[in-house]
Order: sequence, then structure tokens, then C-alpha cells
Amino acid sequence: EAGVTQFPSHSVIEKGQTVTLRCDPISGHDNLYWYRRVMGKEIKFLLHFVKESKQDESGMPNNRFLAERTGGTYSTLKVQPAELEDSGVYFCASSPSQGNTEAFFGQGTRLTVV
Amino acid sequence: AQKVTQAQTEISVVEKEDVTLDCVYETRDTTYYLFWYKQPPSGELVFLIRRNSFDEQNEISGRYSWNFQKSTSSFNFTITASQVVDSAVYFCALWMDSSYKLIFGSGTRLLVRP
Repeated sequence: EAGVTQFPSHSVIEKGQTVTLRCDPISGHDNLYWYRRVMGKEIKFLLHFVKESKQDESGMPNNRFLAERTGGTYSTLKVQPAELEDSGVYFCASSPSQGNTEAFFGQGTRLTVV
Repeated sequence: AQKVTQAQTEISVVEKEDVTLDCVYETRDTTYYLFWYKQPPSGELVFLIRRNSFDEQNEISGRYSWNFQKSTSSFNFTITASQVVDSAVYFCALWMDSSYKLIFGSGTRLLVRP
């Protein structure tokens, strides 16, 4: 069974450009999460989807970040326009139906904004 | 407030030494889960253990052991007879049903030297 897949694994963009990160969760997992680790600090929650609905987006830093999960399958996280402080590793995780606490993480996307 | 503290930023040991990674958490919830994840150089987050707040039994899995003490709000992780392959960043995390997301500590980088 395939795990959580994230694409790209690494992205380098210039300040002001747009970047879209993609996450393919484990098939059948209703819950999808985005997390971010910036500058070697703690991994912070960004948002949580249940199927295609945003359950909690309290961790989204600002309106330059837009997450979607059309059809309740894969998810995208767009940063537009990117700023230097957006650099970090973006993790996606998925878990089965509500009540299961074990989240399976992808390998992360390392975003570098120069 | 919910918070996870990993006070050790980096630990360096020689192979075969035992090493303990500390984790202290804060929560007002009575039902919660504690996790440890390993992030090897390849980048992905690897699940190691989940423990719920009602189960204070210590757990041993091979060279790994975990000590959960509610009295001190700690969930420490010990690696016995460390190996070079144990070199990684280790994250402690807290999950509460009230928030339905993981709260991570800042991670401890473990370097095991041959």
C-alpha cells in the first residue's frame, strides 16, 4: 500500500513567485493535514481537511496561503506570492476516519524562497 | 495552553551508549495521546509510538523504551546501545481530541558517532 506522497520533494523559488505543493494521502483516509517546520523550529499545524471540507485552518499563517482538496482526494497548498519567511519543510499527513489518532506523514517538501 | 517542550536541541553520543531524549508536555485535557516520531536524513517522519493518557505503563520495543509519567507530565524516550543508524531528529508530539491536531516539540537532533 502506498504511503502519503508529496510532490515536489524540493522547490527553490524567488520571492514573489507562486508555488504549489501537492499531497496524495493514503487511499481511503478522510483526514488530511498540512504541517510546516520553519528554520529548525517545531513542526506547526497549518490546517486539517475532512474529505473535501476544511475542518480547521487556524494554523494558516496568512492569506498568501491557499489549500484545497477538491473531491476529497489529493490536496494542494499554494503560496502566492512567496516570501522569504515561507522557507521550510511542509509536511502532509493523513489518517483514517475520525477517532483514529495515528497520522501517517509524507516525506515533506522542502521549500526555499530566495 | 497546550505545549510540548524538548529542551535538548542536540545530543551527541558514541555508538553503544544509552541515550535519553526528554519530552515535557502541557495540557488541560484529561484525554490525550503522546507520540514520538523519527525524522532520518531522508526527511520523512516515521511513527515510533503512541501512548494514551490513561496508560502509564512503560513500553519497550527492542532497543527503544518509553517512560510516561503523568505526575511530571513527561514522556521520555530511551535508546539503549545506540547505533549510527539512530542518528536523526526525534520529535515528541501531543494530540488532544479537543483540538484534533498534533502539537510538536521543536525536536532533538541525535548524532551517534562510530
